[in-house]
Amino acid sequence: QKEVEQNSGPLSVPEGAIASLNCTYSDRGSQSFFWYRQYSGKSPELIMSIYSNGDKEDGRFTAQLNKASQYVSLLIRDSQPSDSATYLCAVKSSGFQKLVFGTGTRLLVSP
Amino acid sequence: GAVVSQHPSRVICKSGTSVKIECRSLDFQATTMFWYRQFPKQSLMLMATSNEGSKATYEQGVEKDKFLINHASLTLSTLTVTSAHPEDSSFYICSATTSGGATDTQYFGPGTRLTVL
Repeated sequence: QKEVEQNSGPLSVPEGAIASLNCTYSDRGSQSFFWYRQYSGKSPELIMSIYSNGDKEDGRFTAQLNKASQYVSLLIRDSQPSDSATYLCAVKSSGFQKLVFGTGTRLLVSP
Repeated sequence: GAVVSQHPSRVICKSGTSVKIECRSLDFQATTMFWYRQFPKQSLMLMATSNEGSKATYEQGVEKDKFLINHASLTLSTLTVTSAHPEDSSFYICSATTSGGATDTQYFGPGTRLTVL
């Protein structure tokens, strides 16, 4: 059973702080990793994708991948109340079309 | 780029009727589309994977005769909920990707909220 695990939260951070969201996966054959943001009542929207070990930065977001530890994280710098949402980690394995999603971490950024 | 639309955004129907939901990729050709369902405060549940021109692959426990999927073109997939019942009320979301390779990204439509009375 291929699994993706996330802490459901909520993760509460004050405005301006760094939010750190974590995700572990069980399938060592996983090749592609994605972070989606989902606001309540809305569909997921892509934040970042990462395929290689290391860090990938895009604006206030940094994705980190460590395939040896089967761990992927998302850092949000200068967190804003508008970042309050559920963040979904998704993993694609080699040879498979579909994504395996974690259950999501709810982030609350307080003003 | 990578815009996916869904229609309708919201539908209310009577028990026993059928409802069709359309998913379109507006600015790219989607060889593969996916249909998800999400109940309140629960995570996304993949229902089926749809490849253009071929039969959909359904996830375990999803009734293929109840949830009919058609992917007749590279920009359009439809999900028909046949003989809908109140327990089918949910948020239905489609996503689309290009070749389905390892680095291809799924882009999600805005979702369709179905309420069956």
